[in-house]
Amino acid sequence: QAQLVESGGGLVKPGGSLRLSCEASGFTFSDYYMSWVRQAPGKGLEWLSYISSVGVTTYYVDSVEGRFTISRDNSKNSLFLQMNNLRADDTAVYYCARDREAYGAPYWYFDLWGRGTLVTVSS
Amino acid sequence: QSVLTQPPSVSGAPGQRVTISCTGSNSNIGAGYDVHWYQQLPGTSPKLLIFGNTNRPSGVPDRFSGSKSGTSASLAITGLQAEDEADYYCQSFDSSRDGYVFGSGTKVTVL
Repeated sequence: QAQLVESGGGLVKPGGSLRLSCEASGFTFSDYYMSWVRQAPGKGLEWLSYISSVGVTTYYVDSVEGRFTISRDNSKNSLFLQMNNLRADDTAVYYCARDREAYGAPYWYFDLWGRGTLVTVSS
Repeated sequence: QSVLTQPPSVSGAPGQRVTISCTGSNSNIGAGYDVHWYQQLPGTSPKLLIFGNTNRPSGVPDRFSGSKSGTSASLAITGLQAEDEADYYCQSFDSSRDGYVFGSGTKVTVL
């Protein structure tokens, strides 16, 4: 059964750093683009970043560009998000999600989501 | 500010039909990019409900249906059930942002 499990969330002070992980199982991880999506308390979904199936291509939304770095290790079926210079408005549940690749491009929708990990940025 | 606009809430009695609109622009839905829908039950992660405008993944009841026209899309729930009470999000690709964009979300309440 395909599954994504996030970890690494927690309480961090403004300006601090955190590294999130997402472990995949039950499917061929290297066949998928992977993304991070967050949801602030009581708010909607915000897509943050994606990485291509072999990790060559990455993309970020403006709000996290230069502060967050997405990476993956296909040998360990794992996705990562390094978050630096965190701000209070980064407080959210962070989800990893998969998007199948075909002919070098994603399908542009997420067919599997993890349960999420909560990041709280507060002094 | 979400790129795709949805009504904050819709409600209906059990058995009724409700629809949720999703309005975009010429850089996303209007450019021909597909619309997808997710259901988020309280306290859980989002789940894919409709992909490619009209397609249901295996296991999704046929009470849920999607459509798309011009710069908008809609999700319809027929025969509304108590278990359908959740938040629903539309999603597409936006060429000006070169990435995924979500709707603002709609809370469905079963009266």
